[in-house]
Amino acid sequence: QVQLVESGGGVVQPGRSLRLSCAASGFTFSSSAMHWARQAPGKGLEWMGNILYDGSNKYYADSVEGRFTISRDNSKNTLFLQMNSLRPEDTAVYYCAREGGSYYLSHWGQGILVTVSS
Amino acid sequence: QSALTQPASVSGSPGQSITISCTGTSGDIGTYNLVSWYQQHPGKAPKVMIYEGSKRPSGVSNRFSGSKSGNTASLTISGLQAEDEADYYCCSYASSRDYVFGTGTKVTVL
Repeated sequence: QVQLVESGGGVVQPGRSLRLSCAASGFTFSSSAMHWARQAPGKGLEWMGNILYDGSNKYYADSVEGRFTISRDNSKNTLFLQMNSLRPEDTAVYYCAREGGSYYLSHWGQGILVTVSS
Repeated sequence: QSALTQPASVSGSPGQSITISCTGTSGDIGTYNLVSWYQQHPGKAPKVMIYEGSKRPSGVSNRFSGSKSGNTASLTISGLQAEDEADYYCCSYASSRDYVFGTGTKVTVL
C-alpha cells in the first residue's frame, strides 16, 4: 500500500534553515508528481508547492516562493523540502502528498511538526 | 492566491443531508472542474473524498457527492453519520498552476 513518511522536523530558531524528507513506498514514485502542504496549529490547510514526476518543473505558493525549495531523488524514492529564512509563522505540521493524476492529492503522509521559535 | 471561502461550521442530525459550499473565482473553480474535497479528523492526515468535482475514489462512501455551479463547488453528505464529524476542506487547481485550499468547515453531527 502507498506509504509516505515525513522526517526532519523539530524546533528551529528564526532565520535558520531546515530540510524535511518524505520517504515514499508502495507506488511508482518516479511517475508521480508530489506536493507539500502545511497546517498551522488550529488553522486550515495551506498548499506549499509541487514538483513534477521528473523534477523538471516546480511550482510554489506566493507565501514561500524564494525561501522554500522542493526537490526529489527518484533513485531513493524521496521527496525533500528545503526551508530557509524560517519565520515564526512557518510553524506548522508539514505534509507530503502524492498527486493522484487528476490534480488532487490522493495520499498523504502523517505529517511532521516544525516549530520556529527562539 | 486567496483561500477559497467555506462556511466555518455546518451541523446536522444523523440521517440528514448537509451541503458545504466552497466559493472561488473565475481563476480557479470557475474555469477548472478540478475541485477536490478532503476530510480531516482531529490529529489525522487529510483524506480525499471527492476529486474532479464529483468523482469518488475507491472506498469512499457514495453518501459523499460533489457538484459545481459557476465559481462555487459543493460537497453533500447524505445520511449523516457520527463518523462524518470532521473538518472538510475543498481545494482547486488554479490558472497560475497553483493549488488553493478552502478555509475549512467543521461538520458537527448533533
